[in-house]
Amino acid sequence: RKEVEQDPGPFNVPEGATVAFNCTYSNSASQSFFWYRQDCRKEPKLLMSVYSSGNEDGRFTAQLNRASQYISLLIRDSKLSDSATYLCVVKTQTGANNLFFGTGTRLTVIP
Amino acid sequence: DAGITQSPRYKITETGRQVTLMCHQTWSHSYMFWYRQDLGHGLRLIYYSAAADITDKGEVPDGYVVSRSKTENFPLTLESATRSQTSVYFCASSESNSNQPQHFGDGTRLSIL
Repeated sequence: RKEVEQDPGPFNVPEGATVAFNCTYSNSASQSFFWYRQDCRKEPKLLMSVYSSGNEDGRFTAQLNRASQYISLLIRDSKLSDSATYLCVVKTQTGANNLFFGTGTRLTVIP
Repeated sequence: DAGITQSPRYKITETGRQVTLMCHQTWSHSYMFWYRQDLGHGLRLIYYSAAADITDKGEVPDGYVVSRSKTENFPLTLESATRSQTSVYFCASSESNSNQPQHFGDGTRLSIL
């Protein structure tokens, strides 16, 4: 079983829509969680860390559900510029080799 | 603020050749990482380094060699390139290995013919 699993999509949504992605992780002892954004043929860039209490950054809201072992990303009022692949990243335990990346969920926002 | 830079951006070479991918960061981050990204896989860790002269294997180290003689540089060498090593390679760095996120270079697209 993969450490991190994501629905690859693609998610095609109209501008202004609200869209949510989930990501599940297999290691219940996982410590840290992140969402990265990756544009086509570019490097991943940190979008936001995910805190136990949930956190919001503008139109983006991240949630962590430890009981069900998933994290979510909600994007409100989608913009064309939100089109990208969103990577779920989980750090399972202390140690530099314990950061695992999902394969990403592709989002396309349509005019 | 240059951050983290990789070179070359694109490289085409032949099987059996040695090729070195360069990574340089200006943040004085302790940790540096090399990943490869392939369709159907998330980023997979090849090697990482906690500090100068300290390196360790990641998930997929076979066929690769790294060194870290200086904190700011972390080159990745394919000693005898194979077609299966065709991939996009990303270098990353982070301040520490606690809960700090990693910051990525803009990648090297490597094709082995």
